[in-house]
Amino acid sequence: GESVGLHLPTLSVQEGDNSIINCAYSNSASDYFIWYKQESGKGPQFIIDIRSNMDKRQGQRVTVLLNKTVKHLSLQIAATQPGDSAVYFCAEAPFGNEKLTFGTGTRLTIIP
Amino acid sequence: SQTIHQWPATLVQPVGSPLSLECTVEGTSNPNLYWYRQAAGRGLQLLFYSVGIGQISSEVPQNLSASRPQDRQFILSSKKLLLSDSGFYLCAWSLAGNQPQHFGDGTRLSIL
Repeated sequence: GESVGLHLPTLSVQEGDNSIINCAYSNSASDYFIWYKQESGKGPQFIIDIRSNMDKRQGQRVTVLLNKTVKHLSLQIAATQPGDSAVYFCAEAPFGNEKLTFGTGTRLTIIP
Repeated sequence: SQTIHQWPATLVQPVGSPLSLECTVEGTSNPNLYWYRQAAGRGLQLLFYSVGIGQISSEVPQNLSASRPQDRQFILSSKKLLLSDSGFYLCAWSLAGNQPQHFGDGTRLSIL
């Protein structure tokens, strides 16, 4: 069936460096993509989203890139800080669908 | 601004006991509402979602049920809990499909 997956389950980055978290999706009908950050014991927190009519979207210290040709999504975090340590999830939905399909998550650890 | 409340934060229940988890949203009308379960170190599994009062869609067969008695209230229930019902239960809301879902802080349910 369709799935959303991540290339790496864990990622360690030096404080101050940039982080890139990748996500592959298989549903060719995917139209809406979203990234979440989940800290231990808390619910996922919305970071940034992007629709299929865009290739790139920027927020505060974060950038999401969408490559529809290879069905790949990435989240770039600039100048990582200790507070960025968390599990990051990507999720997708076809156009007009009420539901999100979540990936399994990547644990980002920031090394001081 | 919109807020979402889930309670209790933690719950320990014996096998075979009933369950009622409540989620309420403030600051918005007619939201989409969602119940997810998250196993330790895993992604989010959608259990139920609702696009309106009394409208419930079930995503996976199980001994859980959901109800939406009021516009901004979503309840997850079980008549008899199983050991496999242990997990982290998350409620979320969104304005519509293809919009960010916003999560509560979850209920950690342990079945003994």
